[in-house]
Amino acid sequence: AQSVTQPDIHITVSEGASLELRCNYSYGATPYLFWYVQSPGQGLQLLLKYFSGDTLVQGIKGFEAEFKRSQSSFNLRKPSVHWSDAAEYFCAVGLGGNKLVFGAGTILRVKS
Amino acid sequence: DVKVTQSSRYLVKRTGEKVFLECVQDMDHENMFWYRQDPGLGLRLIYFSYDVKMKEKGDIPEGYSVSREKKERFSLILESASTNQTSMYLCASSSRAREYQETQYFGPGTRLLVL
Repeated sequence: AQSVTQPDIHITVSEGASLELRCNYSYGATPYLFWYVQSPGQGLQLLLKYFSGDTLVQGIKGFEAEFKRSQSSFNLRKPSVHWSDAAEYFCAVGLGGNKLVFGAGTILRVKS
Repeated sequence: DVKVTQSSRYLVKRTGEKVFLECVQDMDHENMFWYRQDPGLGLRLIYFSYDVKMKEKGDIPEGYSVSREKKERFSLILESASTNQTSMYLCASSSRAREYQETQYFGPGTRLLVL
């Protein structure tokens, strides 16, 4: 069965520190990959997506993610975290079609 | 920009009540989705509609039904609300997938409390 794993339920980083959120997926073929962010009390906003081509993808708010086929991973990174980045982050995958499968989410806390 | 709106941000209902959650999108998208979000479980798909009057069950359809009479509007119905349906409900929409996977755009969510 298709699945998406975000191993870290909570992560706390200091403001200005670098960030990496992990995402692993389980599929037979190359999936389409997404990262969404949800600020408290809000809906989900698309950060970035990978469909094909360059495996390093740039997104909004200074985020990037790298697709690694050999590790079935699509980790999200940011070189310097801001207090406003505190939110919940969701990785999602699709097989080319209309539906997505989401991970359980990672809650990011930023300490000053 | 795509805009997906949901009729209520917060809703409190009693057990056994019939509950309607409304979602409207303004981008002429063919697909619309209802998800339920619970801590530690991520988003789980309840129902999906790919056209007017068409619907498809998601992963957790039990206790829910949907209605899509117009392209821009997708309603989620709890026929008889129960306390285990207390949750955050998110609506999303997307174009119909052609060559690639289409991006889903989300509304702000409705936080439902069933007492």
